[in-house]
Amino acid sequence: EAGVTQFPSHSVIEKGQTVTLRCDPISGHDNLYWYRRVMGKEIKFLLHFVKESKQDESGMPNNRFLAERTGGTYSTLKVQPAELEDSGVYFCASSRQAGTQETQYFGPGTRLLVL
Amino acid sequence: TQLLEQSPQFLSIQEGENLTVYCNSSSVFSSLQWYRQEPGEGPVLLVTVVTGGEVKKLKRLTFQFGDARKDSSLHITAAQPGDTGLYLCAGRPFSGGYNKLIFGAGTRLAVHP
Repeated sequence: EAGVTQFPSHSVIEKGQTVTLRCDPISGHDNLYWYRRVMGKEIKFLLHFVKESKQDESGMPNNRFLAERTGGTYSTLKVQPAELEDSGVYFCASSRQAGTQETQYFGPGTRLLVL
Repeated sequence: TQLLEQSPQFLSIQEGENLTVYCNSSSVFSSLQWYRQEPGEGPVLLVTVVTGGEVKKLKRLTFQFGDARKDSSLHITAAQPGDTGLYLCAGRPFSGGYNKLIFGAGTRLAVHP
């Protein structure tokens, strides 16, 4: 079974540009999460999809961030326009069933650097 | 805001030593998980503890959930160089999006031969 994959692995862009990150969850996993870690800080939750619906987007920092999961398969996270403070590692995770005993499987992350 | 304070931030020990990593909060969590992360990879789940006072063992690793479900510890016995890595605790809140994980900042462990 293939794990969670993320593309690209690294991205270097200039302030004001747009970047789109992609996450392919494990096949059959309805739950998809986005998290990010900025330098020196803990990993923080961004949002949670159940299939194609946004279940919880309380962690999205501002309206420069747009997440989509059309068709309930892969997801994209677009940052437009990117700011310096958006630099960090963006992780995607997926799970089959949410709940107390849920296991979220994490992808390797996308390292974003905004110059 | 729910926070998980993890300590120590860094730990450098010799092979064969024992160590304990702590994860503390003023908030109650429905469950708490411990992850290990290698460079260039995402966190990988080690264990989930759910019940207050619960103790789980994974070979030389012992995980405990506090009675009040506000804190947890990870104890490694006779550490090996292969235990080197970043250890993260993560709690699942009771409310306000109970599926999301609240992470601690991590403990970076180095075990020297």
